[in-house]
Amino acid sequence: KAGVTQTPRYLIKTRGQQVTLSCSPISGHRSVSWYQQTPGQGLQFLFEYFSETQRNKGNFPGRFSGRQFSNSRSEMNVSTLELGDSALYLCASSLSGHNNEQFFGPGTRLTVL
Amino acid sequence: SQQGEEDPQALSIQEGENATMNCSYKTSINNLQWYRQNSGRGLVHLILIRSNEREKHSGRLRVTLDTSKKSSSLLITASRAADTASYFCATEAGGSSNTGKLIFGQGTTLQVKP
Repeated sequence: KAGVTQTPRYLIKTRGQQVTLSCSPISGHRSVSWYQQTPGQGLQFLFEYFSETQRNKGNFPGRFSGRQFSNSRSEMNVSTLELGDSALYLCASSLSGHNNEQFFGPGTRLTVL
Repeated sequence: SQQGEEDPQALSIQEGENATMNCSYKTSINNLQWYRQNSGRGLVHLILIRSNEREKHSGRLRVTLDTSKKSSSLLITASRAADTASYFCATEAGGSSNTGKLIFGQGTTLQVKP
């Protein structure tokens, strides 16, 4: 099976812009979770989607949003970018999101200037 | 907030030696997972151990879980230079409201010298 894919792999944006990141889960996986990784805060959970519904959300401002499509692919959007949003954004897929392994994609490296 | 605390933060060993990393957590869990990350790349899933399990093996990896002490350990035997990476433990907290959410520790950076 193909692994989790994320596009784009690298992005450079300026403050105030918005960005959309994409994640394609492993075939058959219905749960997609998003994480932000920074040197200071480590890996932090953003949100999780299952069957096109957001089931769980981390402690991030409303500028961070996401959605999931009927084929389980997911996108996350960050509006009004701030310098502190520079990070590696990782998505992970799992069969059901409950008590299953989560498999991660390679990540999208976002740099905000 | 970080639930997992990992110890040590950094570990340097010679090839062929064993490496042990420890992880502690705060709340009840459904499972605990270990991941490896090379130089800011994606996370590679190593092993999942459920709350009703005490030990699991996968190749050169051995994971133990002690729910009474809220701790886990990862042992890598006969280490190789290619094992050089950061290792993270991640917990899925108990309860139905925590689906899809892993809480990560800060990680242990392992260097294996050839």
